[in-house]
Amino acid sequence: RKEVEQDPGPFNVPEGATVAFNCTYSNSASQSFFWYRQDCRKEPKLLMSVYSSGNEDGRFTAQLNRASQYISLLIRDSKLSDSATYLCVVNSHSGNTPLVFGKGTRLSVIA
Amino acid sequence: NAGVTQTPKFQVLKTGQSMTLQCAQDMNHNSMYWYRQDPGMGLRLIYYSASEGTTDKGEVPNGYNVSRLNKREFSLRLESAAPSQTSVYFCASSEIGGVGQPQHFGDGTRLSIL
Repeated sequence: RKEVEQDPGPFNVPEGATVAFNCTYSNSASQSFFWYRQDCRKEPKLLMSVYSSGNEDGRFTAQLNRASQYISLLIRDSKLSDSATYLCVVNSHSGNTPLVFGKGTRLSVIA
Repeated sequence: NAGVTQTPKFQVLKTGQSMTLQCAQDMNHNSMYWYRQDPGMGLRLIYYSASEGTTDKGEVPNGYNVSRLNKREFSLRLESAAPSQTSVYFCASSEIGGVGQPQHFGDGTRLSIL
C-alpha cells in the first residue's frame, strides 16, 4: 500500500458547486497533515494544515479521520480560480524526516 | 519576501554535461529538500538536509549529489546529465523536518537534457 493515496481525477465541476477530495495514508503514527495546491507548471503552495478537530478557511474545510486514516478537503462555492491540482501531504515517520506527498487530485472548475 | 530562490529557472544541457542547481532560503529554516517532478509521477524526493552539515538520500538519489553549503544554501549537482534527468526540479525548506512543519517551495528549475 502506498504511503499516501489520492484519486487523480480529474474532477470537473461547474462554478458554484461543492466538491470534496479524500486522501488515505498508511502509517497510523502520522502526526502532521496538510493540503497543498499546485497550479500548472508552478510550485506547490501550502493551502492549509489539517488539525485533529477539523478546520476551516473561508470556502475550504479540512477534516482528519484517524480511525479510518484519511483526510478530506471540501471546497464550497467553487470558483474558476480553484482549478488546480490538490496535493495531500503527510508526515509518515517520526522524527526529523521529510513529508510525504500524494500525487495529487486534479480539479477543473467549469463556467 | 524572497522565501526560497532557485537558479537557474530554465536550462538545456547535452548528455554528459555537468550542472549545479542552486537553492537559497532566507527564512532561517533548518531543513532543505530537493525534489523532481515528472508528468504523472508526482513529487519525488532526491536528497534532503535535515540540518546544516547533514544530508540524506531520498527516493531517487542516483545520478545526483548535494551540498549543504551553509544554513541558507543547498545545491544539487548532476555530474553527467542523462536524458532521464529531464524534469522540473523543486527546492523546498522547512523550519524543522518532520512533525508539524510544512515545506515551502521555490518556483522550480526546468531542465532539459538532449
